[in-house]
Amino acid sequence: AQSVTQLGSHVSVSEGALVLLRCNYSSSVPPYLFWYVQYPNQGLQLLLKYTTGATLVKGINGFEAEFKKSETSFHLTKPSAHMSDAAEYFCAVSAPSGGSNYKLTFGKGTLLTVNP
Amino acid sequence: DAGITQSPRHKVTETGTPVTLRCHQTENHRYMYWYRQDPGHGLRLIHYSYGVKDTDKGEVSDGYSVSRSKTEDFLLTLESATSSQTSVYFCAISERAGNEKLFFGSGTQLSVL
Repeated sequence: AQSVTQLGSHVSVSEGALVLLRCNYSSSVPPYLFWYVQYPNQGLQLLLKYTTGATLVKGINGFEAEFKKSETSFHLTKPSAHMSDAAEYFCAVSAPSGGSNYKLTFGKGTLLTVNP
Repeated sequence: DAGITQSPRHKVTETGTPVTLRCHQTENHRYMYWYRQDPGHGLRLIHYSYGVKDTDKGEVSDGYSVSRSKTEDFLLTLESATSSQTSVYFCAISERAGNEKLFFGSGTQLSVL
């Protein structure tokens, strides 16, 4: 079985500061990893994903994440926070669940607050 | 934006009544999903579909049923609504499984009184 743990349900940073949102996963097979963002009263949208190859993945809005197999981590970072980054962020892992189907499991989310 | 429409956007109902939520897509994607979102739980998969009339259970399927008679429509039915089913329900679609991203609808806020 696979699982995702997001460390910190709420992270608060100042505008211009580094954003670091932590995600650890467990999976019995090499997983695909995703970060999604949810703005208030909207559905989720993809920030970035890791499938294979380069372990540092760049996404939209200046975010990036690094896949570290030895640490089973996929932390999300952004060098300088903007007010518009305030949202809830979800880490997710996808792994085979039998046949050609995959199971996508989401973490519980981290609410990012950006202070002026 | 992907063409996904959820209806209704908001619904208030009473305990014990049946409720059907609709998800309609215009992308011709094979996979469709229903999730519920609750504070402290993130998103949890209720049911998903991998083709017309092909569906399977997710992790929180009790009390819910689904149907997919056409590629574009995926219906979620609460057979007898309970207060524990008060939640925000999201439909999502993807072209393939595995490493494909999901496109999400705007959600349905359901309150069961």
